[in-house]
Amino acid sequence: SQTIHQWPATLVQPVGSPLSLECTVEGTSNPNLYWYRQAAGRGLQLLFYSVGIGQISSEVPQNLSASRPQDRQFILSSKKLLLSDSGFYLCAWKPRRVATNEKLFFGSGTQLSVL
Amino acid sequence: AQKITQTQPGMFVQEKEAVTLDCTYDTSDPSYGLFWYKQPSSGEMIFLIYQGSYDQQNATEGRYSLNFQKARKSANLVISASQLGDSAMYFCAMRERGGYSGGGADGLTFGKGTHLIIQP
Repeated sequence: SQTIHQWPATLVQPVGSPLSLECTVEGTSNPNLYWYRQAAGRGLQLLFYSVGIGQISSEVPQNLSASRPQDRQFILSSKKLLLSDSGFYLCAWKPRRVATNEKLFFGSGTQLSVL
Repeated sequence: AQKITQTQPGMFVQEKEAVTLDCTYDTSDPSYGLFWYKQPSSGEMIFLIYQGSYDQQNATEGRYSLNFQKARKSANLVISASQLGDSAMYFCAMRERGGYSGGGADGLTFGKGTHLIIQP
């Protein structure tokens, strides 16, 4: 069966420090991968998605970047965190095939607090 | 314009009562899918139910059903016989088959959610 791992679960970082959040998927190949951010009390905002190794698309211009060095690994990074980067970050995946009924499978999330 | 609108930021419901969570959507694509997710305080996103735009019947999954009114572009989630464990955030989401919905490469576009609290 497929599983998705996301870490760390919580992170407290000072403003201006770097960031690296990691997400890995097991039990599948060639998944589509996604990073979402959820601000306090808000919905999910898509930040990045990837359809293959090295292929990254950004949905929202921001202080963050993403990379996919391996097929099932997705990394969210920042060189210098801002206060506005605080939030709950969720990694998700779905099979590559195109179908309206394919649901997203989510990781357990990372609560990031920038102080 | 918002693709998914959830007009109820919060709801309080008595245990064992039925609950209806509202969701309206905006699309011109004839082929699309609608999803509901539950997010407990732990933060995980739990898939509840799916409705396809061409499905003739409303989707049901246990205590969850989807009241799909295509002409009105609404996809309300109904939870029957609510339980204390149903307290959570609930998100409606959409995927459009052909056009760009902001969900990125077949991802989902989410509403802002409804915070449901079940009271004993």
